[in-house]
Amino acid sequence: SQELEQSPQSLIVQEGKNLTINCTSSKTLYGLYWYKQKYGEGLIFLMMLQKGGEEKSHEKITAKLDEKKQQSSLHITASQPSHAGIYLCGADYPGSQGNLIFGKGTKLSVKP
Amino acid sequence: DSGVTQTPKHLITATGQRVTLRCSPRSGDLSVYWYQQSLDQGLQFLIQYYNGEERAKGNILERFSAQQFPDLHSELNLSSLELGDSALYFCASSVGGLRQETQYFGPGTRLLVL
Repeated sequence: SQELEQSPQSLIVQEGKNLTINCTSSKTLYGLYWYKQKYGEGLIFLMMLQKGGEEKSHEKITAKLDEKKQQSSLHITASQPSHAGIYLCGADYPGSQGNLIFGKGTKLSVKP
Repeated sequence: DSGVTQTPKHLITATGQRVTLRCSPRSGDLSVYWYQQSLDQGLQFLIQYYNGEERAKGNILERFSAQQFPDLHSELNLSSLELGDSALYFCASSVGGLRQETQYFGPGTRLLVL
């Protein structure tokens, strides 16, 4: 089974609505990264979470890492068409020496 | 723009051939990572170099190899190409290659093997 599960796989929301994307790890991680990818393009770094219970915000995007450091949620408030894309979570695990394990991604579409 | 550059942007080749992908990290970054993204496997780590030395290996096939040069740019060599090697290949860089350092990704090289 996948070490890092993202849900949902895809999401279609009306512009202005809030949404949440989840990333669940099968084991405790050192750090959790959120990236956004436009189709066929490079990954854009959004934020990194390291401490259990940590929460970070960037514009209308907020991400939180749970206390056990096994789950993170990404929340977008008042979604806009510019938020559309694929959101990927990447995990840094003990023994990984810094390379990241990625989830399969969540494809977000925002309808105007 | 992440500051990481990759060339070429697109590559079309035939099975059995060999190609070289190039990556220039952000200025000051010593560590380079290579990832492969395909529809069925998702984004997978291949290999990491730090200041010219191999630091970590992931799901990299024996037909693939990489190196990092003294000027810190890196090349990923893919040989005896198969149809299944068609994918997006990303390079990322970070300052020191330590855990919990942000990795900045390049725009990728799209490889199509016919």
